[in-house]
Amino acid sequence: ETGVTQSPTHLIKTRGQQVTLRCSSQSGHNTVSWYQQALGQGPQFIFQYYREEENGRGNFPPRFSGLQFPNYSSELNVNALELDDSALYLCASSLAGGRASYEQYFGPGTRLTVT
Amino acid sequence: RKEVEQDPGPFNVPEGATVAFNCTYSNSASQSFFWYRQDCRKEPKLLMSVYSSGNEDGRFTAQLNRASQYISLLIRDSKLSDSATYLCVVNSASGNQFYFGTGTSLTVIP
Repeated sequence: ETGVTQSPTHLIKTRGQQVTLRCSSQSGHNTVSWYQQALGQGPQFIFQYYREEENGRGNFPPRFSGLQFPNYSSELNVNALELDDSALYLCASSLAGGRASYEQYFGPGTRLTVT
Repeated sequence: RKEVEQDPGPFNVPEGATVAFNCTYSNSASQSFFWYRQDCRKEPKLLMSVYSSGNEDGRFTAQLNRASQYISLLIRDSKLSDSATYLCVVNSASGNQFYFGTGTSLTVIP
C-alpha cells in the first residue's frame, strides 16, 4: 500500500451543495496533487499543492479549491456542485526535489455522486 | 489536440503472449514520463518511470522516443494478473502538471 489515505470513501451530495474531501500524504512526502476521474476516462489534473501553496492548476473552475496543511495533508473543496462533478476524486502524494519527485502515489479515492 | 493520447483497446491476449502499448504526447518540452496500472475501481499504481535510455523491470520494458514524441510499454510472457488498464502519464514543461491518457485496457485470457 502507498500510505496515502482519503476520506470519505463514498459521498452523495445534491446539486448546489458544497463538499470537502480529505487526503493524508505518504510519510515524508511534501507535495499533493488532486485529480478527477470520470468513468472510462483517465484522471484529470485539478491542482497541486507544495508547502501549503498552490503550485499548478489544471483546467478546472475556481469553485474547485484546495488547502494543504503544515503536516502536508490536504483538502479539496468543491462549491456549487453540478451533476458533472460526479466522479472518483484521487489525491496523489510525492516528494519534491530530484527526479523521483515526479513519481506520484495515489490514495484509494473518494467516489462522489451528485444528484 | 489532447496532451496525451492512447489507444483505448481493448487488447485481449492469451497467457504467455507479448503485448505492446504506445502513447503519444503533444508537448515536446515534457520531461518526465510514466506508466501506471489501474485495476477496476481501484486507484492508479505506479508501474514504472520511463527514462530516455529506456528501462526494464522484469517482464516490463518501457521506452521513450523523443523525436516522435511517444512512449511505449512492452509486456512479455503475459500473466492473468496483468489484466488491468494501463495509463501513460506525461508532465508539463514546468513539471507541476501531469497529463494522463485515457488508458489502454488489457485482458489476458487463460
